[in-house]
Amino acid sequence: TQLLEQSPQFLSIQEGENLTVYCNSSSVFSSLQWYRQEPGEGPVLLVTVVTGGEVKKLKRLTFQFGDARKDSSLHITAAQPGDTGLYLCAGEGGNNRKLIWGLGTSLAVNP
Amino acid sequence: DSGVTQTPKHLITATGQRVTLRCSPRSGDLSVYWYQQSLDQGLQFLIQYYNGEERAKGNILERFSAQQFPDLHSELNLSSLELGDSALYFCASSDGTGRGEKLFFGSGTQLSVL
Repeated sequence: TQLLEQSPQFLSIQEGENLTVYCNSSSVFSSLQWYRQEPGEGPVLLVTVVTGGEVKKLKRLTFQFGDARKDSSLHITAAQPGDTGLYLCAGEGGNNRKLIWGLGTSLAVNP
Repeated sequence: DSGVTQTPKHLITATGQRVTLRCSPRSGDLSVYWYQQSLDQGLQFLIQYYNGEERAKGNILERFSAQQFPDLHSELNLSSLELGDSALYFCASSDGTGRGEKLFFGSGTQLSVL
C-alpha cells in the first residue's frame, strides 16, 4: 500500500519567517501535486512536479521533487498570514494513476 | 472560483436517513471524483466517474452509491446514515487525460448526522 506522510502535522509561525514542510513515501510516484486548502473550501492545486530533482517556484513558494521521486518538500520564504491553510500533497502512482493523499500540514502564520 | 459547483453547502440529518449530494463539474471536464474528508482520516477517495462510466473505486461503503448523468453532473447518495458518516464531502473534476491531471475541487458539502 502506498502511503504519503506529511510533516510536521501542525506549524505555527510568525509573519516573515521561513518554513519547510515535507511529504515522504517509500513508494515511487510518477508525479506529485501540492494543494492548499482554506477553511470551508476545497483544496486548490498549487503545483505539479513530474521529474525527479525538479524544482518549481511559485512566488515565495519553492517546491522540490526528490531525485528518486519518493518525496517532496515545500519551502515558503517570508511567510505571510495569507499563507495560512492546510497544505496537502498527493502522489500519482500505479497503473491506475490513482492519487494517494497525505494527511496535510496545517500552517498558521501569525501577524 | 474553481468552476465546480456542489450543493447543498450544509446538510443536517438523522441516523438512518438517506441524502443526495450534487456536483456540477467544470465546463468541459469529463471526469468527476468524490472525496470524504475528516479530521482523523484526511482526504479519502471514494469513487471516480469518466463520461458517465465508473472509472475507479476507492474506500466507498456499500451504503454509498454515485452516478454521473449524460449532462456530466454527478450525485453521491448516502443511505442508512451513521454518526461516523459526518464529514466534508468534496467533488472534484478534471479533464481525465491522464498523468499529472489537475483536480479542481468544489467547496464541499458539510454533512452532520445527529
